[in-house]
Amino acid sequence: QQQVKQSPQSLIVQKGGISIINCAYENTAFDYFPWYQQFPGKGPALLIAIRPDVSEKKEGRFTISFNKSAKQFSLHIMDSQPGDSATYFCAARGGTSGSRLTFGEGTQLTVNP
Amino acid sequence: NAGVTQTPKFRILKIGQSMTLQCTQDMNHNYMYWYRQDPGMGLKLIYYSVGAGITDKGEVPNGYNVSRSTTEDFPLRLELAAPSQTSVYFCASSYPISGGGNTIYFGEGSWLTVV
Repeated sequence: QQQVKQSPQSLIVQKGGISIINCAYENTAFDYFPWYQQFPGKGPALLIAIRPDVSEKKEGRFTISFNKSAKQFSLHIMDSQPGDSATYFCAARGGTSGSRLTFGEGTQLTVNP
Repeated sequence: NAGVTQTPKFRILKIGQSMTLQCTQDMNHNYMYWYRQDPGMGLKLIYYSVGAGITDKGEVPNGYNVSRSTTEDFPLRLELAAPSQTSVYFCASSYPISGGGNTIYFGEGSWLTVV
């Protein structure tokens, strides 16, 4: 019940296209859903996060869509750029996990020029 | 503005050897974490600490030990290294939860190979 399932495992998008990464969770006690971005050789860094009382959050070209009833949330990257090529992790926190984040398996995004 | 600093960056160990991965943070965070990252498996929590003198197991603690004698430092000890411990290790830290989000800040990682 602590798992977070992420898909797809890898994604190739053309420059200017929309990248969409999906995550699903089971634990309804989760109360915080961040997305992390990781470049090769670096640690993950917080990209954007949402709480379950809102259905959408936008920061620049990055948008989180949240569907509480379906227990799903997704990351949309508009006008994808080659510099967005990285691994993206969704995560969830709350319930019995307390402050700890439970991470999805990751999506390797490649944006072709 | 160092953030979370891990050493060493790379290390090759022989089976059965022991070593310590060092981690220090200068953000005065109470919470610290150790994760391991394997290809296609995401980040798995090894151990975490909510403050000096307090540690607890995460999802995959077997084969590891930690200590937290100061707020700044959270070393990870590998005893009797095994090939299954070949991985990338990330130390991280965060503020305590206070009703808002909980940004976790990661170090740059330590690449460990056990041969």
